[in-house]
Amino acid sequence: QQQVKQSPQSLIVQKGGISIINCAYENTAFDYFPWYQQFPGKGPALLIAIRPDVSEKKEGRFTISFNKSAKQFSLHIMDSQPGDSATYFCAASFAHGSSNTGKLIFGQGTTLQVKP
Amino acid sequence: NAGVTQTPKFQVLKTGQSMTLQCAQDMNHEYMSWYRQDPGMGLRLIHYSVGAGITDQGEVPNGYNVSRSTTEDFPLRLLSAAPSQTSVYFCATTRRGKNIQYFGAGTRLSVL
Repeated sequence: QQQVKQSPQSLIVQKGGISIINCAYENTAFDYFPWYQQFPGKGPALLIAIRPDVSEKKEGRFTISFNKSAKQFSLHIMDSQPGDSATYFCAASFAHGSSNTGKLIFGQGTTLQVKP
Repeated sequence: NAGVTQTPKFQVLKTGQSMTLQCAQDMNHEYMSWYRQDPGMGLRLIHYSVGAGITDQGEVPNGYNVSRSTTEDFPLRLLSAAPSQTSVYFCATTRRGKNIQYFGAGTRLSVL
């Protein structure tokens, strides 16, 4: 079963626009929600992450919005740039105590293209 | 400081052949994981380890074996390769108590 569902599969945005990627999760025990960015030929790298006790986290042009009641979270990229063109993955995991084994459950991925 | 090193970067196998994908880390992280990446399916966990001598299955373990004799190394073995195992494989490490996973550059495997 797919515990983390991500949409859209692909996204094309003009330079300067806002890119929005959405994720939904099923397991309410998840308590850590990261976003990873992957460039072609490279491994994923952590972009930004949030815990469910806050509704929003912002780092530069990247913002995570979190809706615990809806079991949804999203990544917003403001003022999108061609250098942001990459594949983005949302993920979920158990961050605390004995449940923290370093495992991540990933969404399906979104390929973002930012046109100049 | 190399981080997470995966070898080989590319490999072509024939159905039924066996091989080992290597993963080595120099960050002294306790946790290591193997994922496979397929189009439209994201990354799926194959096997993971919370320390030397301890391994467990992930979401898609069938056809793969792992062992962890040292903190640094976590090899992934394909016993009898099948076309369904054509994929990009990533190794990742995490420090115990932390949540950031550090990924290698991947191994692209084709099984004909």
